[in-house]
Amino acid sequence: AQKITQTQPGMFVQEKEAVTLDCTYDTSDPSYGLFWYKQPSSGEMIFLIYQGSYDQQNATEGRYSLNFQKARKSANLVISASQLGDSAMYFCAMRGPSGNEKLTFGTGTRLTIIP
Amino acid sequence: NAGVTQTPKFRILKIGQSMTLQCTQDMNHNYMYWYRQDPGMGLKLIYYSVGAGITDKGEVPNGYNVSRSTTEDFPLRLELAAPSQTSVYFCASSYSTGQVYGYTFGSGTRLTVV
Repeated sequence: AQKITQTQPGMFVQEKEAVTLDCTYDTSDPSYGLFWYKQPSSGEMIFLIYQGSYDQQNATEGRYSLNFQKARKSANLVISASQLGDSAMYFCAMRGPSGNEKLTFGTGTRLTIIP
Repeated sequence: NAGVTQTPKFRILKIGQSMTLQCTQDMNHNYMYWYRQDPGMGLKLIYYSVGAGITDKGEVPNGYNVSRSTTEDFPLRLELAAPSQTSVYFCASSYSTGQVYGYTFGSGTRLTVV
């Protein structure tokens, strides 16, 4: 069974600082993928970044990067130069191998950016 | 492209009533999913489908039913609404091509059972 753990219910960060949101996962499958989603107060799920288990390099998308440490089973999201618009809920999620592609979500981290 | 379309966006039900949450996607994705999100929590999988005619239970299927007669549509049925089903419901679809995976979520249906 797949499991995602996010241990930070809430975080407060000063604007323009970098922030790391923690995510650890558990799976027995060698093939899997890790996602980060942003959910603003409006409620939609916004895809941020994806890391496949066989990807050699850490994923990056603009100000977002994923610190993937396979041996530790962690996939932390790093947001550089935080902005007020980054205030939202952030969810880590994992998909299984081909044929088991449903996503398992963590409980989320509420990030608040302070001006 | 419309992506994943959910209707209605909001609904209030009385205990014991039934309703169907509609979900349609126009991307020809084989996989479709229904999740519920309780306040302050992550998304939990209710049901999923790997293609037309094939559905399976997720983590929290009790009180719900689904059908998948076409690739495009994946409705979720609540037969006897209970207060515990007050939640936000998300429909999603996905594709995979080699090592590339993409998931698209609908905008959600906020359901209140009173």
